[in-house]
Amino acid sequence: LAKTTQPISMDSYEGQEVNITCSHNNIATNDYITWYQQFPSQGPRFIIQGYKTKVTNEVASLFIPADRKSSTLSLPRVSLSDTAVYYCLVGPRDSGTYKYIFGTGTRLKVLA
Amino acid sequence: GAVVSQHPSRVICKSGTSVKIECRSLDFQATTMFWYRQFPKQSLMLMATSNEGSKATYEQGVEKDKFLINHASLTLSTLTVTSAHPEDSSFYICSADPGQGFYTEAFFGQGTRLTVV
Repeated sequence: LAKTTQPISMDSYEGQEVNITCSHNNIATNDYITWYQQFPSQGPRFIIQGYKTKVTNEVASLFIPADRKSSTLSLPRVSLSDTAVYYCLVGPRDSGTYKYIFGTGTRLKVLA
Repeated sequence: GAVVSQHPSRVICKSGTSVKIECRSLDFQATTMFWYRQFPKQSLMLMATSNEGSKATYEQGVEKDKFLINHASLTLSTLTVTSAHPEDSSFYICSADPGQGFYTEAFFGQGTRLTVV
């Protein structure tokens, strides 16, 4: 399973766009990149998933360069409620293989 | 998305007793579930993979006799912490794999806060 590296923490202000980059140099051909959000004392919640180029949903965008060795989660116009830990996970999307190995995650603090 | 429910959400037990935590997939079947443990300010640590109808697979360093896992049906996996001690106090989280189909990601329960006194 590919190992991921993320910044330990980030601070931002309300209304700003936040970009969190994740490195996964050993990503395999059949690996997908998935981002989760975790609030204190809660289980992780799925944000977005992608394989290559750009993926966008109602809460975030995910940018993946051609070599797929990194990815960037983009949160538009963050609010205080976006303060959480964000995890980048890499792994295949086959049945029974969501055996995610969590890295340190990025602790995002949104300031007023 | 799909829903995974854990019960209880909080539990306090006396040292030396056993505690059972349930993980249920409410609207899908999961042949595979995963159990994690999370200490304060730390990341999730995978403890074991729970397979329906077969023995669980434990990660290195996790005592299988202390953390008993049973996956008796396609919607229920249980984790029993036997002879609990204060150092077992932690946040336990399960996830379930919905398998091939509409969903392409794992779903996590809300977690169980275990405090051993």
